[in-house]
Amino acid sequence: EAGVAQSPRYKIIEKRQSVAFWCNPISGHATLYWYQQILGQGPKLLIQFQNNGVVDDSQLPKDRFSAERLKGVDSTLKIQPAKLEDSAVYLCASSPRLAEAYEQYFGPGTRLTVT
Amino acid sequence: DAKTTQPPSMDCAEGRAANLPCNHSTISGNEYVYWYRQIHSQGPQYIIHGLKNNETNEMASLIITEDRKSSTLILPHATLRDTAVYYCIVRARGFQKLVFGTGTRLLVSP
Repeated sequence: EAGVAQSPRYKIIEKRQSVAFWCNPISGHATLYWYQQILGQGPKLLIQFQNNGVVDDSQLPKDRFSAERLKGVDSTLKIQPAKLEDSAVYLCASSPRLAEAYEQYFGPGTRLTVT
Repeated sequence: DAKTTQPPSMDCAEGRAANLPCNHSTISGNEYVYWYRQIHSQGPQYIIHGLKNNETNEMASLIITEDRKSSTLILPHATLRDTAVYYCIVRARGFQKLVFGTGTRLLVSP
């Protein structure tokens, strides 16, 4: 089966610009996650969707970050305006169903550099 | 908020067993131990999980102590492709959030 797809793989922007990342989860997976991974650290959950509803966005900086999952499939994560500290890899993951989601499948990530 | 302690780095010779320890002394009765790994420039990959019994799959074995305060991930015959950061995570089943620490960087050498 096809894995989690993300695009773009790399993005370089200047601070105060905006950027958007796209994620296509594994077909049929109801739960979708966005993580931020800063160099040298483990991934940190930003937001979790169950179908097209938000389950957890407690660590999403809502003044500049937004995410949506229209129709419960694809998702986009947006940053506006970007700051230098947003430089990180943004990982998307999906899992089959909330109750059985002991295993999350991760995409390759988008590496964002803010200059 | 990671509840686990892992050594920052370990070395292993190719073909030998790699034993990666994890301390989780505050684990609750309903919390499972999960292991993920992250190869360079890739997203994390699920390896194995367990509650209190030892577990084995095609990738690795998980040994959990009787008091459940620590565990060991065993890669029986490490290869160069096993070089990665290994994350030990404790989490209650049904509670979906994975809280990653900094993990153990395993270097497998020829």
